[in-house]
Amino acid sequence: GENVEQHPSTLSVQEGDSAVIKCTYSDSASNYFPWYKQELGKRPQLIIDIRSNVGEKKDQRIAVTLNKTAKHFSLHITETQPEDSAVYFCAASYSSNTGKLIFGQGTTLQVKP
Amino acid sequence: NAGVTQTPKFQVLKTGQSMTLQCAQDMNHNSMYWYRQDPGMGLRLIYYSASEGTTDKGEVPNGYNVSRLNKREFSLRLESAAPSQTSVYFCASSRTESPLGNTIYFGEGSWLTVV
Repeated sequence: GENVEQHPSTLSVQEGDSAVIKCTYSDSASNYFPWYKQELGKRPQLIIDIRSNVGEKKDQRIAVTLNKTAKHFSLHITETQPEDSAVYFCAASYSSNTGKLIFGQGTTLQVKP
Repeated sequence: NAGVTQTPKFQVLKTGQSMTLQCAQDMNHNSMYWYRQDPGMGLRLIYYSASEGTTDKGEVPNGYNVSRLNKREFSLRLESAAPSQTSVYFCASSRTESPLGNTIYFGEGSWLTVV
């Protein structure tokens, strides 16, 4: 069945450094790839997303890249700040015509001041 | 505009008891979802409703039932709770069923413990 693998499970960086989280997906029909940030005890919130017809998307300090051939996509956070500390989830649409998402296992990012 | 509201926020159940998690959205969204979140396993889809009057199974539907009461409300029922259902439950909604540029908004979560 559909599967999304996310790595690493934990990531610790110094403030100001970059952080990269990677995901791979199994369903070649997936065409939508959002990233969610979840702070402790809070709800997941969308931070950026990318469609399958786009290779890269940036929004200030965050960017997402997509390689459809290899079926993997990555989240890049530059100039990390302590408030970036959270759990990050990647997700992929189940197929090309549904809003259902399958999520990765999550990455706990710690940004040390 | 409260977004997605779910109740209760915390609940402790005994094995075998039943309960219903309530969810309502005020964004006039067509699609609604129930996810569960367990440590190290991300969010897993239990059931979803693409539109009013329809429901379908997700990844982990066993032990659960759902009701799409109307366009606003989507409830999740545990008929006979088991310790394996101890989890954080998130209700979510999106404007349409189409995934493209269709943000899924989550409720605040319901922490359920089954003892």
